[in-house]
Amino acid sequence: SYELTQPPSVSVSPGQTARITCSGDALPKQYAYWYQQKPGQAPVLVIYKDSERPSGIPERFSGSSSGTTVTLTISGVQAEDEADYYCQSADSSGTSYVVFGGGTKLTVL
Amino acid sequence: QVQLQESGPGLVKPSETLSLTCAVSGYSISSGYYWGWIRQPPGKGLEWIGSIYHSGSTYYNPSLKSRVTISVDTSKNQFSLKLSSVTAADTAVYYCARISGDSRFNWYFDLWGRGTLVTVSS
Repeated sequence: SYELTQPPSVSVSPGQTARITCSGDALPKQYAYWYQQKPGQAPVLVIYKDSERPSGIPERFSGSSSGTTVTLTISGVQAEDEADYYCQSADSSGTSYVVFGGGTKLTVL
Repeated sequence: QVQLQESGPGLVKPSETLSLTCAVSGYSISSGYYWGWIRQPPGKGLEWIGSIYHSGSTYYNPSLKSRVTISVDTSKNQFSLKLSSVTAADTAVYYCARISGDSRFNWYFDLWGRGTLVTVSS
């Protein structure tokens, strides 16, 4: 089955830039989406179609794509950004329309 | 504004069927969008269960397809999930969500319910 691979954890100090990667063979052909999930809360969409930002999401959140890897970048990280982040995409073979990465815990030191 | 609210039993016995409903307010399901279910076992990641259109068209995660049924009731503006033959591995927070995207390969979840914990235990 198709898999999206994320690092289990990323740590940054406040004000620095955090980069969270997501790798998958179909990413050159399929869009990626990113969700932020804080403890006890439902996920929130922060990036869609690789790099688009929904209304209400701070400009410090951005997304990019290069080959089989997509990256969520959080510039000027704030304490409130500490959360789990999940990427999501599709299996281009049509086996599964929705696949999630395993998630990355962002720790703000 | 559009809101989604999951409801159903919080405890289900092994081998029985898990049944949940997602009530949508602030928007008529019949007007469009796909709607979906996602689950998250305690301390683990997200797993897509399946999706449905107001017409009743459904798409399921292949790993769960044999046990899942998703249906829609436009008169009540809600959609439902049934998962049969449950085991402890089905213990999770179950979320319903609205799906956006211009094709099945571009689906994403732009609005989520708060989720409901379902525990499978005797």
